[in-house]
Formats: sequence, C-alpha cells, structure tokens
Amino acid sequence: AQTVTQSQPEMSVQEAETVTLSCTYDTSENNYYLFWYKQPPSRQMILVIRQEAYKQQNATENRFSVNFQKAAKSFSLKISDSQLGDTAMYFCAFMNYGGATNKLIFGTGTLLAVQP
Amino acid sequence: DAGITQSPRHKVTETGTPVTLRCHQTENHRYMYWYRQDPGHGLRLIHYSYGVKDTDKGEVSDGYSVSRSKTEDFLLTLESATSSQTSVYFCAISSGGSSYEQYFGPGTRLTVT
Repeated sequence: AQTVTQSQPEMSVQEAETVTLSCTYDTSENNYYLFWYKQPPSRQMILVIRQEAYKQQNATENRFSVNFQKAAKSFSLKISDSQLGDTAMYFCAFMNYGGATNKLIFGTGTLLAVQP
Repeated sequence: DAGITQSPRHKVTETGTPVTLRCHQTENHRYMYWYRQDPGHGLRLIHYSYGVKDTDKGEVSDGYSVSRSKTEDFLLTLESATSSQTSVYFCAISSGGSSYEQYFGPGTRLTVT
C-alpha cells in the first residue's frame, strides 16, 4: 500500500523569503503522479503543482517549484518570495498512474504561516 | 472553477440519526469521490464512484454508504451518525483516464453531538 508522509506539522516563514515543505512517500509502483494541494482558511482545496514520475524535470508554477527525487521517494515543495496569501495548510498527495479510479492518497499536511 | 456543489455546507445532528450529504456536479465527469478530513489524518477516501450505479469502498468506509443514480449526483449517507463521524467532508470529481486531476467541492462541516 502507498503511504505519504509529511514530517513538518507546522512551519513559519517571513514574507518575501523562501520556504521548503517536505514530503516523502512509499510505493512499489514505477509510474505515478505527485501533487501539492493548498487549503487556505476558506477550506477550498486548490491544486498548486503536479509532477509525473516519468518526467525527470522538476515541475514549476510561478513561485512554486518541486524537488522530485524518485530514488529517494522525496517530493518537496519550495515557495519563493512568500506572500501573506500563501498562509494555508499544504497537502502532499500520491496517485497511482494507470489505475482505473485515480484515487488520491494524502499526507497529514503542513500548516504554513507567512509572517509580515 | 469546476462546477461542484455540496449540500448542506454545515450540519449539526444528534448521535443515532441518519444523515445524507449531497454532491452535485455540472461537468459530466465520470468519477466522483467522498473524502473526510480530520486533524492529523489529512484527507481519507470514504467511497468513490466510477459511473452511474457503480461504486466502491475507500479506506474508511465503515458506517457510510453511497449512491449514484445520476451522473451529476453522488450521495453519502451516514445510516446512524456517531460522534466519530464529526468531520469535514469533501466531494471531488475527475474525468478519469489520462486526465488525472481531481477537483474538489467546498466541503461540508458535519458535527455529531
């Protein structure tokens, strides 16, 4: 069974600085997707960034980038130039590629606070 | 934003009463999911549907049932609510196949007293 681990329950960063959120996962599959979701106080789940395991290049979306280390089963999220609006709970998630149902497996989340 | 609504958005109910949560989509997506979110657990899959009248269990399905009689509606029922089912419930949809993204509804906060 696949598992996703986020070892940092809470983190804090100053506005305009850079922060990295950690995520590790365990799977015996070779093809899969990894995601970072953001959940602000509004409770809405927002997809931040995704990575296909077969791609070696790390995904980037504006100020958000990942460091995907397939051999180490590590998938960290880097947020550059942190903004107050980045304050949220961040969830790492795994999806087995080729599965018929596209089920997501989530980590327990990291609560990020951006300080002014 | 994907057209997903959940109703009700908030509900307080008593132990032992039946509760039904509704998820409605306007995207005509094949796959629909129910998750629950609890502190320290992230989101966990309760049940999912891969078509009309086709459903299956997730990792925390005990005490829950689902039904999908139309593409657009996916109902989650707590037959006899317990305090351990106090949670925030999220519905999600996906078109499936190579389109692997899931889009989430706004969530329902359920409190069982």
